Amino acid sequence: AQKVTQAQTEISVVEKEDVTLDCVYETRDTTYYLFWYKQPPSGELVFLIRRNSFDEQNEISGRYSWNFQKSTSSFNFTITASQVVDSAVYFCALRALYGNKLVFGAGTILRVKS
Amino acid sequence: IAGITQAPTSQILAAGRRMTLRCTQDMRHNAMYWYRQDLGLGLRLIHYSNTAGTTGKGEVPDGYSVSRANTDDFPLTLASAVPSQTSVYFCASSDSSSIYEQFFGPGTRLTVL
Repeated sequence: AQKVTQAQTEISVVEKEDVTLDCVYETRDTTYYLFWYKQPPSGELVFLIRRNSFDEQNEISGRYSWNFQKSTSSFNFTITASQVVDSAVYFCALRALYGNKLVFGAGTILRVKS
Repeated sequence: IAGITQAPTSQILAAGRRMTLRCTQDMRHNAMYWYRQDLGLGLRLIHYSNTAGTTGKGEVPDGYSVSRANTDDFPLTLASAVPSQTSVYFCASSDSSSIYEQFFGPGTRLTVL
């Protein structure tokens, strides 16, 4: 069975602080895909990143970076120099190579205060 | 603008009533999905369709049905709504291969009283 755990229910930071959102996953598949989505207060789901299980290179996109560690089954997301606009619910998700099910974590609410 | 549209935006429904949530995409994606979002549970898959004419059950299919008569439309029907179906419903679509991300509609907020 596949499972995604986002242990942090809610995080509050002050603007310009760095913040890391944790994601731990479980799967028996050798090939799988990991995703992060952002859900701002407006409610839509915004795709942030996709990473396949064979690519453990960390990725940086502006203030966002992702740390994929297969050895610990983790795919953590760091926001550097957080901004108020980063306030949102962030979801980590997992999908097997052959399957239609995108398994989501419960989400982490990030509040960035000015 | 290409994307996914959902209707209605929100709805309050009496228990026992029938309701169809509409979803249309214009990206010519083969696969479409319905999720429900509940606090503390993230999003859970209700039903999916790999291609027009086929559908499959997700994690929480009971009380819901879907149809996929064409590529663009994927309606979700609640035959007899119950209060536990109060939720935010998201439609999504993707290219057939699982390597591609799913694109989500704006959601429908449904309240069953």
